[in-house]
Amino acid sequence: GAGVSQSPSNKVTEKGKDVELRCDPISGHTALYWYRQSLGQGLEFLIYFQGNSAPDKSGLPSDRFSAERTGGSVSTLTIQRTQQEDSAVYLCASSLARQGPNTGELFFGEGSRLTVL
Amino acid sequence: DQQVKQNSPSLSVQEGRISILNCDYTNSMFDYFLWYKKYPAEGPTFLISISSIKDKNEDGRFTVFLNKSAKHLSLHIVPSQPGDSAVYFCAASDIGTYKYIFGTGTRLKVLA
Repeated sequence: GAGVSQSPSNKVTEKGKDVELRCDPISGHTALYWYRQSLGQGLEFLIYFQGNSAPDKSGLPSDRFSAERTGGSVSTLTIQRTQQEDSAVYLCASSLARQGPNTGELFFGEGSRLTVL
Repeated sequence: DQQVKQNSPSLSVQEGRISILNCDYTNSMFDYFLWYKKYPAEGPTFLISISSIKDKNEDGRFTVFLNKSAKHLSLHIVPSQPGDSAVYFCAASDIGTYKYIFGTGTRLKVLA
């Protein structure tokens, strides 16, 4: 498809289980971002990738969260030993590298809604 | 600390009137600003952007104004339509980091 694709769209899991969320960015986009939106909150930055490397992991809430990107394309966000406070919509976005003004807008997927019981 | 702030969580406007959504930021290194619209159960979609070398950018019914000295930007929607009802997020970026910081959003309701 032409847009950012995320899977699963919905995930219900039990506290303590591990989950993996997948993002397939727009072809050719070198930058990939993960954000989280908790109920009633704004978009919280988690991590971004430039190619396969992650220059900024500062938003990851704890060491239970990790992300990787392979082949400069698909990314996986993994949450280990999930907690109820991890319940949120996890949004992935991709963009071309910024090369000056008016470039680098983010294109978002529809998100993966995670519910931890 | 909240580097990008949208102090109005909600706004109601009559159809056909102007909607003005505001955003403040604290980091003077930010040089690129964007507005996104989000409907329930969908990802945010890009609306309009402005770089720090400009103070105004217009696209159809949408205009973004940037006041660098006040570290303030605003989105004007004229005329407002019921389909504009959504949550609007402003975002800011520093080209040196490629990191986009989003505000907490303003829920706009356009009344028919």
